[in-house]
Amino acid sequence: SQTIHQWPATLVQPVGSPLSLECTVEGTSNPNLYWYRQAAGRGLQLLFYSVGIGQISSEVPQNLSASRPQDRQFILSSKKLLLSDSGFYLCAWSAGGTNSPLHFGNGTRLTVT
Amino acid sequence: AQKVTQAQTEISVVEKEDVTLDCVYETRDTTYYLFWYKQPPSGELVFLIRRNSFDEQNEISGRYSWNFQKSTSSFNFTITASQVVDSAVYFCALSEVGGKLIFGQGTELSVKP
Repeated sequence: SQTIHQWPATLVQPVGSPLSLECTVEGTSNPNLYWYRQAAGRGLQLLFYSVGIGQISSEVPQNLSASRPQDRQFILSSKKLLLSDSGFYLCAWSAGGTNSPLHFGNGTRLTVT
Repeated sequence: AQKVTQAQTEISVVEKEDVTLDCVYETRDTTYYLFWYKQPPSGELVFLIRRNSFDEQNEISGRYSWNFQKSTSSFNFTITASQVVDSAVYFCALSEVGGKLIFGQGTELSVKP
């Protein structure tokens, strides 16, 4: 069966520090991968998605970037965190296509101080 | 533009009451998919159901049922005989090209004993 791993679970970082969140998927090949952010207001905002290695689409221009160095690895990064980057970050995978549900990891709660 | 609206921000019920969570969507696509997710306090989003735009049959799974009405662009979710374990934030979502999901703002359901 497929599983998705996301870490760390919680993270407290000072303003201006770098960020690296990692997500890996097991049990499937060539998945679509996604990074969402959930702010305090609860809504889920799509940040990046990828349909293949090295293919990244950005939905919202901001202080973050994403990379997909391997088929089942998706990394969210920032060179310098802002206070507004605080939130709950969720990685997800799908089999691709508009009919495929997204399956989410447990999330990373990031607090920028 | 694609949009999902969950007008109910918070709902509070007493155990064993029935509760309906509303979802209204906007899309120009003729073929699309709708989803419901549950987010318990632990934070992970759990996939509940997928419905395609050509299938307007209601679906029932245990205490859960879904009513899809294309004429009113609605995909409502009913929990019968609610339980404390149903307390969570529930999200309705609409698929986009590329397998991306657009989420509503979520409805926080609180079931009190």
